[in-house]
Amino acid sequence: QKEVEQNSGPLSVPEGAIASLNCTYSDRVSQSFFWYRQYSGKSPELIMSIYSNGDKEDGRFTAQLNKASQYVSLLIRDSQPSDSATYLCAVKPPNAGGTSYGKLTFGQGTILTVHP
Amino acid sequence: DAGVTQSPTHLIKTRGQQVTLRCSPKSGHDTVSWYQQALGQGPQFIFQYYEEEERQRGNFPDRFSGHQFPNYSSELNVNALLLGDSALYLCASSLARTGLNQPQHFGDGTRLSIL
Repeated sequence: QKEVEQNSGPLSVPEGAIASLNCTYSDRVSQSFFWYRQYSGKSPELIMSIYSNGDKEDGRFTAQLNKASQYVSLLIRDSQPSDSATYLCAVKPPNAGGTSYGKLTFGQGTILTVHP
Repeated sequence: DAGVTQSPTHLIKTRGQQVTLRCSPKSGHDTVSWYQQALGQGPQFIFQYYEEEERQRGNFPDRFSGHQFPNYSSELNVNALLLGDSALYLCASSLARTGLNQPQHFGDGTRLSIL
């Protein structure tokens, strides 16, 4: 079982629709969860972080976390063609010794295509 | 406010050679992590430096080594290059000493091609 799993897609949605991206993780003690967007040939760009159960909204993006089910998702409302990219889910273990360093474990990413 | 900068942007090497990649963290950040991203895959953690020490290491051979300098910048060295080392190498920086959750921010990466 992979540590972080995502459907590789591609996920295709029409412009204006809601895109729903899902991620599951295996390490129950994981504490921090991140969504990165990566355009082709570019580096990952942080778009959302979430640390506690429930929903977190930022503009058109909503991250949802359910630690009991070990599941994190990203909803993109009013999808635009410019949202077409690979979306990477990343998971981080609990903080170590009063610091917040620690490795990120990534899923393989979901390719999202928003068509006009 | 400068973000994470990496150099060079592209590099072509042959098998058996050695390479050094460089990273300057975002202003105010004290931790540098290195990741390898093969085509079509998510980034894989190589190692992480904080206070000039390697704090964590991923499942990479000893051919991969690194260093962090007093100004928090970092180098990734890879010896005896293999064809399979061809990838995008990403540097990410973050702030560890606050003890709070801090996300990692990525540089633009170095595209390494091995011939």
